Amino acid sequence: GAVVSQHPSRVICKSGTSVKIECRSLDFQATTMFWYRQFPKQSLMLMATSNEGSKATYEQGVEKDKFLINHASLTLSTLTVTSAHPEDSSFYICSASLHISNTEAFFGQGTRLTVV
Amino acid sequence: AQSVTQLGSHVSVSEGALVLLRCNYSSSVPPYLFWYVQYPNQGLQLLLKYTSAATLVKGINGFEAEFKKSETSFHLTKPSAHMSDAAEYFCAVSEGNQFYFGTGTSLTVIP
Repeated sequence: GAVVSQHPSRVICKSGTSVKIECRSLDFQATTMFWYRQFPKQSLMLMATSNEGSKATYEQGVEKDKFLINHASLTLSTLTVTSAHPEDSSFYICSASLHISNTEAFFGQGTRLTVV
Repeated sequence: AQSVTQLGSHVSVSEGALVLLRCNYSSSVPPYLFWYVQYPNQGLQLLLKYTSAATLVKGINGFEAEFKKSETSFHLTKPSAHMSDAAEYFCAVSEGNQFYFGTGTSLTVIP
């Protein structure tokens, strides 16, 4: 299957700083990538849909200025958590699809963000 | 919008016993259905998927699931649990290229 690589797998940052998480499709081109947030012992919550060459579509309740998404190429989407606070600590996961009419999503390994 | 319900947030089985994880969905159109497994601090790995072909779907690691339209169910089973099956399992339905996940079921395997 297709491979999605997410980096870093773990990051600890100080409150007030910004953190960038990368999501790469290694062996396919992904016009659309998705960013999820997962709280402990809970399901994945879709944060935003990232479209190559255009603005991301954010889910209701997700702050656009807080979670900046850039999808500059067909193989890379980035999520930047700006001015991070401890409540932003979470597990962030990206996914990418091969086709617009998706029959399968490929997930990155996830990034554990801890804000201290 | 689609929705997925996973009954039982925690399931415990003895090693070698049958594994049954329940998933019900709501969908106004024929769905694409998926089961994913997640190990601690890792992403999701696809176990199997239903895409309107055979109703009994076989996946990796001995898992299978049966699509039952009349019951709007897609339960995951494995005849004999192994210690390595202990993980979090998510059922999901897709609409277009958007996925909707259930709340997950944590599987514990007792030696």
